[in-house]
Amino acid sequence: DAGVTQSPTHLIKTRGQHVTLRCSPISGHKSVSWYQQVLGQGPQFIFQYYEKEERGRGNFPDRFSARQFPNYSSELNVNALLLGDSALYLCASTLDRGNSPLHFGNGTRLTVT
Amino acid sequence: AQTVTQSQPEMSVQEAETVTLSCTYDTSESDYYLFWYKQPPSRQMILVIRQEAYKQQNATENRFSVNFQKAAKSFSLKISDSQLGDAAMYFCAYRSYSGGGADGLTFGKGTHLIIQP
Repeated sequence: DAGVTQSPTHLIKTRGQHVTLRCSPISGHKSVSWYQQVLGQGPQFIFQYYEKEERGRGNFPDRFSARQFPNYSSELNVNALLLGDSALYLCASTLDRGNSPLHFGNGTRLTVT
Repeated sequence: AQTVTQSQPEMSVQEAETVTLSCTYDTSESDYYLFWYKQPPSRQMILVIRQEAYKQQNATENRFSVNFQKAAKSFSLKISDSQLGDAAMYFCAYRSYSGGGADGLTFGKGTHLIIQP
């Protein structure tokens, strides 16, 4: 079975632009979470989606938004990019909304210039 | 809010030796999960081991074991018979038991583990 897949692998954007990152969960997984990992730090929680609804949100500005589609895939959108948004963005999926283990993808490396 | 602290930015160990990575955390909750994740250069976060706070027995997965001290809020990872493939960043993480994971995982800053051949 395929694991969590994220696209694109790498992305370079300019300050002020908008970016969309995509994530496909493991087949059968209904929950998707997004994390931001700045270089040299641990990942920080951005969002959790379950059954197409936002169930949790970390301490991130409104420039960050996400959605989950009927097939449980997800998009993370970031508007008005700042240099500080440069990071590895990780997607993780779980079987349900409970306490199942998280399975992470390989991430999207976003560079803002 | 919960915090997770990893005080060792980098650790080095000889192949086949044993190494212990430290982690402390702060929480007011009584029920929670603790995790160790491994992140190799491929960037994927890989679950190494998981501990439920209500379980007194320390979790073990093959060469990996933890020393969970709930009162001291300490959660260290011991890697026995270190192998070259163990080289990676290791992150300690916390998750509340309630809320269905809606608060996400709280990660430490990580420990870079180097394996000397």
